[in-house]
Amino acid sequence: DADVTQTPRNRITKTGKRIMLECSQTKGHDRMYWYRQDPGLGLRLIYYSFDVKDINKGEISDGYSVSRQAQAKFSLSLESAIPNQTALYFCATSDPNPVAKNIQYFGAGTRLSVL
Amino acid sequence: AQKITQTQPGMFVQEKEAVTLDCTYDTSDPSYGLFWYKQPSSGEMIFLIYQGSYDQQNATEGRYSLNFQKARKSANLVISASQLGDSAMYFCAMRERSIIQGAQKLVFGQGTRLTINP
Repeated sequence: DADVTQTPRNRITKTGKRIMLECSQTKGHDRMYWYRQDPGLGLRLIYYSFDVKDINKGEISDGYSVSRQAQAKFSLSLESAIPNQTALYFCATSDPNPVAKNIQYFGAGTRLSVL
Repeated sequence: AQKITQTQPGMFVQEKEAVTLDCTYDTSDPSYGLFWYKQPSSGEMIFLIYQGSYDQQNATEGRYSLNFQKARKSANLVISASQLGDSAMYFCAMRERSIIQGAQKLVFGQGTRLTINP
């Protein structure tokens, strides 16, 4: 089983719909992240959470919200989806222990299309 | 300003040859980390190798090595004896400390698409 699991893997939705992307992990890491990937732009950070009570905006948080339901679960919501939110979304986790070098481990991604 | 620059949008290499993927970075933080990730056509992001700014030696992981030139701010990935399965997108990323938030986040380059020819 994957250490970082994203559901769904693919989703097509319509403009204006609310959609939730889910991420769960079995790595026992405190830190979790949401990124989006657009062609030619690499990955950009949407939100991150360093523990259940800590939520922080990344560089492109507008139009998104998150919920950290437990150490192992971190969900990303699009309250009212728009076509330019069509992208590949990644969840990642990391261990804050300096020995772990804050290496981020990624899920397989969710490909979202907003029509 | 671009934090991570990958100047090679695409590279084509013959199988079994070595390949170097370029990455330059920009930071004023003396403590930072550099990462390489591989993204095959299936889409997942796979961690390959890490180099810390204070590490004295270049990092190596199997066929992957990182040519770290601190003064030049470059962190090139070297893949020895390339294989067909190495065909993928490769991303360089940097972790630096955010002065405002005291947090450490990854910043990614735009990637290099590597194609290994048989």
